[in-house]
Amino acid sequence: DVKVTQSSRYLVKRTGEKVFLECVQDMDHENMFWYRQDPGLGLRLIYFSYDVKMKEKGDIPEGYSVSREKKERFSLILESASTNQTSMYLCASSKGRGNQPQHFGDGTRLSIL
Amino acid sequence: GQQLNQSPQSMFIQEGEDVSMNCTSSSIFNTWLWYKQDPGEGPVLLIALYKAGELTSNGRLTAQFGITRKDSFLNISASIPSDVGIYFCAGQKASGTYKYIFGTGTRLKVLA
Repeated sequence: DVKVTQSSRYLVKRTGEKVFLECVQDMDHENMFWYRQDPGLGLRLIYFSYDVKMKEKGDIPEGYSVSREKKERFSLILESASTNQTSMYLCASSKGRGNQPQHFGDGTRLSIL
Repeated sequence: GQQLNQSPQSMFIQEGEDVSMNCTSSSIFNTWLWYKQDPGEGPVLLIALYKAGELTSNGRLTAQFGITRKDSFLNISASIPSDVGIYFCAGQKASGTYKYIFGTGTRLKVLA
């Protein structure tokens, strides 16, 4: 089975802090994704990466950056956390460049105070 | 970004009843996925559909890829309390990127 592991289930940070969310997958998947999930808005794509050191903006990249130094690891960075970034963050991975399904981690519920 | 229209938004049903939900789009898709998300967890893949008209089952769940390629349907037969959760559809456009567009979810509550 595909395993996507997010480093924290719950995280509380303060406004202005730099926040790192980590995601690791163990299936040698090429593609990795970061979403945020908010009530009534569904899943919104923040950034994705289709290869090491490659990254592309999703639908809502403002206030975020990402890093993919190794194939198995994809990090989401909140440069200066704000209260409107309080959300559930989901990492996903998928194989290849076709229509393979995305597999999700259990999510990180981030609260910015 | 584009969202898929998923309906109903929520539903309460009695244990043992069958459930139907659907997902529609104005665009053509080449792949449809259905996920279930339990409270506090990440979405788990239930069924993947790759061809128009395809009908695929996973236990009591059956999903269909609409023949217009603009919709998909999920049915759950004989619901049980552990079916509670949020069901998401996701579609990939025929242009063939590896990104998926997600529906807003159907929240299912089962009354014992």
